[in-house]
Amino acid sequence: DADVTQTPRNRITKTGKRIMLECSQTKGHDRMYWYRQDPGLGLRLIYYSFDVKDINKGEISDGYSVSRQAQAKFSLSLESAIPNQTALYFCATSDKGQGATDTQYFGPGTRLTVL
Amino acid sequence: GQSLEQPSEVTAVEGAIVQINCTYQTSGFYGLSWYQQHDGGAPTFLSYNALDGLEETGRFSSFLSRSDSYGYLLLQELQMKDSASYFCAVGSWGKLQFGAGTQVVVTP
Repeated sequence: DADVTQTPRNRITKTGKRIMLECSQTKGHDRMYWYRQDPGLGLRLIYYSFDVKDINKGEISDGYSVSRQAQAKFSLSLESAIPNQTALYFCATSDKGQGATDTQYFGPGTRLTVL
Repeated sequence: GQSLEQPSEVTAVEGAIVQINCTYQTSGFYGLSWYQQHDGGAPTFLSYNALDGLEETGRFSSFLSRSDSYGYLLLQELQMKDSASYFCAVGSWGKLQFGAGTQVVVTP
């Protein structure tokens, strides 16, 4: 079984709809992240969480919210989806015990299309 | 703040050597990482440099020079399966900031 899973893998929705993307991990890591990837722009950090009670904005948090329901679960919501939120979304985890290495482990991604 | 620059695309033949450069402007970071991403797939960790110098992992090596604000990933004995995008990233305070990525195209 995959260590980091994301659901759904693909989603097509309409402008104005509320969308939730879910991430679960079995790696036992404390740190979880949400990124979006657009062609030519690499991976940009939306939100991150270092433990269940810790939520932090990344560089592009506007229009998004998150919930850390448990150590293993981190959800990303688009309250009112707009077409420029069409992108590939990745969840990632990291183990604080690794010190400064910051190696992150990524889920398979969710391809979101907003019409 | 931090920004990282890397070439958008590199093309090479099987068996060749490719060097992907990464220059950065940063106010401070712990180390430079490299990730590989095949088309439509998840990024996967390749290499990490905390200190200046060369780190070797099989056919892949990574180099960091903090004084020059520069690093590179060296791919040796290129194989078709190495066709992918490669991202450099600087890490600090538990976060990574990624470059835009370099697409490596390996031709027969």
